[in-house]
Amino acid sequence: RKEVEQDPGPFNVPEGATVAFNCTYSNSASQSFFWYRQDCRKEPKLLMSVYSSGNEDGRFTAQLNRASQYISLLIRDSKLSDSATYLCLNYGGSQGNLIFGKGTKLSVKP
Amino acid sequence: GAVVSQHPSRVICKSGTSVKIECRSLDFQATTMFWYRQFPKQSLMLMATSNEGSKATYEQGVEKDKFLINHASLTLSTLTVTSAHPEDSSFYICSAVRQGYTEAFFGQGTRLTVV
Repeated sequence: RKEVEQDPGPFNVPEGATVAFNCTYSNSASQSFFWYRQDCRKEPKLLMSVYSSGNEDGRFTAQLNRASQYISLLIRDSKLSDSATYLCLNYGGSQGNLIFGKGTKLSVKP
Repeated sequence: GAVVSQHPSRVICKSGTSVKIECRSLDFQATTMFWYRQFPKQSLMLMATSNEGSKATYEQGVEKDKFLINHASLTLSTLTVTSAHPEDSSFYICSAVRQGYTEAFFGQGTRLTVV
């Protein structure tokens, strides 16, 4: 099983829709989790950290489920500008590495 | 906020030459830096983990003699692509973890084109 797995998508949704992504991880000892956003031909930018209690930032909600070993990202009221690839990042993999998922591509249409 | 500077942002080189990419943490000390490669329409792939003062740890399938990594200080790591070939053309990104924290900060990336 790969260390971090994501559905590559693409997720094509209309403006205003709610969309959710999941990311599963294999290392139960993983320390920290993050969601990053990557626009085409740019470096990843931190979107939000994922805390055990869950966290919310405006239209974005991130949750961690340690029992099932996945994290999720929920985007409400999607905007055109949300179109990007969303990467989950797991810190503390088997070698203490930063391991990215392959990313989920989101395309928000008018 | 923490800043990681990567240089150059874009480089074109001839096949067979070597290219050095620098990654600097500008306002924090980074005990660990990571190097990634991303081919078009593919995901970021971890190449190696670089710890200050020690040899880098390479991921399976990454040639250590071809991709030389040096992490000489707490603020600088370099990746040298030796004897570059067109198949090495890619987007290379470094990341640094701030000492005492777990958030990763990324350089702007280097787009390497080997002709």
